[in-house]
Amino acid sequence: NAGVTQTPKFQVLKTGQSMTLQCAQDMNHNSMYWYRQDPGMGLRLIYYSASEGTTDKGEVPNGYNVSRLNKREFSLRLESAAPSQTSVYFCASSEGSGTTEAFFGQGTRLTVV
Amino acid sequence: RKEVEQDPGPFNVPEGATVAFNCTYSNSASQSFFWYRQDCRKEPKLLMSVYSSGNEDGRFTAQLNRASQYISLLIRDSKLSDSATYLCVVGGGGSYIPTFGRGTSLIVHP
Repeated sequence: NAGVTQTPKFQVLKTGQSMTLQCAQDMNHNSMYWYRQDPGMGLRLIYYSASEGTTDKGEVPNGYNVSRLNKREFSLRLESAAPSQTSVYFCASSEGSGTTEAFFGQGTRLTVV
Repeated sequence: RKEVEQDPGPFNVPEGATVAFNCTYSNSASQSFFWYRQDCRKEPKLLMSVYSSGNEDGRFTAQLNRASQYISLLIRDSKLSDSATYLCVVGGGGSYIPTFGRGTSLIVHP
């Protein structure tokens, strides 16, 4: 019973490098989300996908791109990492429409130096 | 004005104390309300849903006041293990996105 699986758990990047954070859920959920969490800022939505084939910007999308590869997988890409993107990233999924429980992955701790 | 607002705390209480958190939301059309718990360096997890009639789960009671647009969480007989950050979450009302408050930090000390 995996739920939401994120990889990697930890990553250190140099400024300007690129990387993709992977997220997969096995609960047949329609909606998936990417958040970042910084001290004192709470969870901020980067991008979301209300259903397979759709993606939309959240509160802080600049510097990121996403792909909803299929119903299970939703990846987040940093094309050119910046120190301001040092954060903890959480992927989440829910049945849909924001009215049901969201399940989170364990998070990715990213440091950009 | 942020859509979901919480007092960040920290609330520092002794074991056995009763503590209450409030959370206000701005979208009057919101339909779903939740409290999540987040332990240090861990992912948020659902603590309880909040229903119009209020609900109770052991030492935890959640209530919704639609007229004043706030939800509350009451923790009775606090335990050391209750130390965590409690996130208020509001959903629905025309949005596909659950909206999280910034969280309220609770520290229960011996």
